[in-house]
Amino acid sequence: AQSVTQLDSQVPVFEEAPVELRCNYSSSVSVYLFWYVQYPNQGLQLLLKYLSGSTLVKGINGFEAEFNKSQTSFHLRKPSVHISDTAEYFCAVSAAGGTSYGKLTFGQGTILTVHP
Amino acid sequence: DAGVIQSPRHEVTEMGQEVTLRCKPISGHDYLFWYRQTMMRGLELLIYFNNNVPIDDSGMPEDRFSAKMPNASFSTLKIQPSEPRDSAVYFCASSLTDGFNQPQHFGDGTRLSIL
Repeated sequence: AQSVTQLDSQVPVFEEAPVELRCNYSSSVSVYLFWYVQYPNQGLQLLLKYLSGSTLVKGINGFEAEFNKSQTSFHLRKPSVHISDTAEYFCAVSAAGGTSYGKLTFGQGTILTVHP
Repeated sequence: DAGVIQSPRHEVTEMGQEVTLRCKPISGHDYLFWYRQTMMRGLELLIYFNNNVPIDDSGMPEDRFSAKMPNASFSTLKIQPSEPRDSAVYFCASSLTDGFNQPQHFGDGTRLSIL
């Protein structure tokens, strides 16, 4: 089974500042990793994903994340945030094969609030 | 392309009533997921289907909950009888499999309030 821990429930930041949202995972098998964003009253949208290859992955809206296998982490970063980035962000993991194939386990979410 | 479509968007009903939530996945997607989101428990997977067959229903909280997928373009989540603690936002998501774990595409959710 897989589990995900998002280390911060809320992250306040000023506009144009950099931000990092932290995610650690636990799994006994190889994994795929995802970050999703949820705006108010909407479903989740995919920001980026790591399946294999380069450990630095770039997503939409200027976000990027780095997969660190030794640290079992997949932290999300953006060098300069905008007011419109205010939302809740979810880290998710799935097993790369096996009986749980296709099933995502989500973290508890991190609310990012960007202040002017 | 149309995304995942859920209906209704909002549902308010009294305790004890039957509630049916509906989902139309993206055409061609062969996985369909039902989630429940609450402040206390976050996002929980209730059940998921592959090619219309339920694969894992271990997240379904009680026998009051049931889900069906009669064909590739339609699924329902039913609660009977409903209770106030079932109040939550319910999401449907679908994904495509091509050998890698493809991202799930979410609907906008059904906000359910049981009075």
